[in-house]
Amino acid sequence: AQKITQTQPGMFVQEKEAVTLDCTYDTSDPSYGLFWYKQPSSGEMIFLIYQGSYDQQNATEGRYSLNFQKARKSANLVISASQLGDSAMYFCAMREGPTGGRRALTFGSGTRLQVQP
Amino acid sequence: GAGVSQSPSNKVTEKGKDVELRCDPISGHTALYWYRQRLGQGLEFLIYFQGNSAPDKSGLPSDRFSAERTGESVSTLTIQRTQQEDSAVYLCASSLYRTDRSNQPQHFGDGTRLSIL
Repeated sequence: AQKITQTQPGMFVQEKEAVTLDCTYDTSDPSYGLFWYKQPSSGEMIFLIYQGSYDQQNATEGRYSLNFQKARKSANLVISASQLGDSAMYFCAMREGPTGGRRALTFGSGTRLQVQP
Repeated sequence: GAGVSQSPSNKVTEKGKDVELRCDPISGHTALYWYRQRLGQGLEFLIYFQGNSAPDKSGLPSDRFSAERTGESVSTLTIQRTQQEDSAVYLCASSLYRTDRSNQPQHFGDGTRLSIL
């Protein structure tokens, strides 16, 4: 089974509108962390936002917020007031376990977001 | 700059040759990761180093792949007898390692684009 599922290969949004990028995950570990990264066409991976499995509130970081629904195992990224510079690939990733063990991230297949003027 | 540095940025080589990719992590980051990203896909974990602990090699796809790290600094990823299927971008990331929290984001280099002819 896929650990991280991003069902939207591509999304379009009008400039200044909000957009939600979907991410569902699968883990039996009670402690885990969820990350979103942005990858522009230039290729670098840019960290956007983090949500821990025990965090009581949804994470927010500027125009980025994470709609975390633990029971549904979803961690959707919401980008408010989209800008042309937001056009990029967006990856959802998970790290399982709080300490020790494998600390590498498992990535989804990504969503390509295109912001239209 | 103070980011993760990878070299070379591009590498073109003939099938069957060996290649060596280099990663300089952010100073003070004890955790170092290698990932592979095939065209249009998400990132696949290859190997993880943490301090003086034995590396987690569970993601290496074959015995043609190996990696070393000198202390808590430079790492090299070596691919022997390259195959066309090895063509991809190889990304290195580093992070702080905190045993009490799992939310340390990984900071990525710009990657090495490897093309096997």
